[in-house]
Amino acid sequence: EPEVTQTPSHQVTQMGQEVILRCVPISNHLYFYWYRQILGQKVEFLVSFYNNEISEKSEIFDDQFSVERPDGSNFTLKIRSTKLEDSAMYFCASSVEPNTGELFFGEGSRLTVL
Amino acid sequence: AQSVTQLDSHVSVSEGTPVLLRCNYSSSYSPSLFWYVQHPNKGLQLLLKYTSAATLVKGINGFEAEFKKSETSFHLTKPSAHMSDAAEYFCVVRGNTPLVFGKGTRLSVIA
Repeated sequence: EPEVTQTPSHQVTQMGQEVILRCVPISNHLYFYWYRQILGQKVEFLVSFYNNEISEKSEIFDDQFSVERPDGSNFTLKIRSTKLEDSAMYFCASSVEPNTGELFFGEGSRLTVL
Repeated sequence: AQSVTQLDSHVSVSEGTPVLLRCNYSSSYSPSLFWYVQHPNKGLQLLLKYTSAATLVKGINGFEAEFKKSETSFHLTKPSAHMSDAAEYFCVVRGNTPLVFGKGTRLSVIA
């Protein structure tokens, strides 16, 4: 069964460092998403991406964050100058169609900022 | 704005007994509602969805949920719990925004 894969599963970084989280969406999916979950809190929407551009983003997704689809398979989330409060589980998701709610999620990348 | 409230952070049941995970929603639109499940060290998986068709929705692994507009509820049920049901369950709403998640309910199943 096709699945969304994320790397790394866990990354520890120092405050102020740049981090890139990688995702390989399901191959025939066209819509890509990043969500995050801070420990003990709700899963929160960060950004959606379609046709090589951001289609929607939340207030959380400020200039510190960027997304890119550098090739035909990867979808990346870059966090510049990480802060302690960026520590969270980051989930990548993909879907065939937008706005259906039927997202396929990866296992998540746990980011710990020290 | 859309929101969901999961009324229990942790539910513990014995194997073979019914499961009830409660969710209330708030939406100014006719909502689409979902339940997602996350098993340990796994990604979030769609269990079932409600999109204004039948109010009783059947999902995978014997789970079902009933949309009750009068009660603004979308509770998840299963007649008989199995050990493999132990996981985190998220009630999710989609209105005119991206998915909005509840805080999750951790289901423990006792042998």
